[in-house]
Amino acid sequence: DTGVSQNPRHKITKRGQNVTFRCDPISEHNRLYWYRQTLGQGPEFLTYFQNEAQLEKSRLLSDRFSAERPKGSFSTLEIQRTEQGDSAMYLCASSRTRGDEQFFGPGTRLTVL
Amino acid sequence: TQLLEQSPQFLSIQEGENLTVYCNSSSVFSSLQWYRQEPGEGPVLLVTVVTGGEVKKLKRLTFQFGDARKDSSLHITAAQPGDTGLYLCAGVRAGGTSYGKLTFGQGTILTVHP
Repeated sequence: DTGVSQNPRHKITKRGQNVTFRCDPISEHNRLYWYRQTLGQGPEFLTYFQNEAQLEKSRLLSDRFSAERPKGSFSTLEIQRTEQGDSAMYLCASSRTRGDEQFFGPGTRLTVL
Repeated sequence: TQLLEQSPQFLSIQEGENLTVYCNSSSVFSSLQWYRQEPGEGPVLLVTVVTGGEVKKLKRLTFQFGDARKDSSLHITAAQPGDTGLYLCAGVRAGGTSYGKLTFGQGTILTVHP
């Protein structure tokens, strides 16, 4: 399967713990996006990478959130000192060039107790 | 305030009926995508429309992009239970430096009863 993959698929953590999610985009795609989706809502943009450069961050991305794409391939999203409000589905998408269709991974469902 | 207003939010119909989902905005979009999402999974791309007035068909699904590129619709003919799911419209705003980031509507939950 050569689609976008995300790990883990599910994460349950206690409030105050740190969590890290991984996204592996489609191999020839140089653009990578992170979105967050809460129940009953459409996804909301969090951040965007072109190759290894993080070019845009949403105001939704507080100081507790950090994302990296060190070699322009896979990306990680870390949430420090998790809060119950961080509970959501975290989606990763990739595309080849600006304006091209974005292909989404299956998401990581985070539950903060 | 949603940049993309999607309606209706919920749609429950019988197998064989037709339906239309609308996606409206006051902003212009350079492209608009429609996705279908199953519970616990990521959105799956159905279609991309880029030209004002464009109409695309995908079997029983017909997608239309408004002439002014501010709105779109998804029409399903003779709905089947397998069409059940969350339908999302998403667009890339025209102009500026958006890096292709998508703005989503809030989604339409479609249930087709056998």
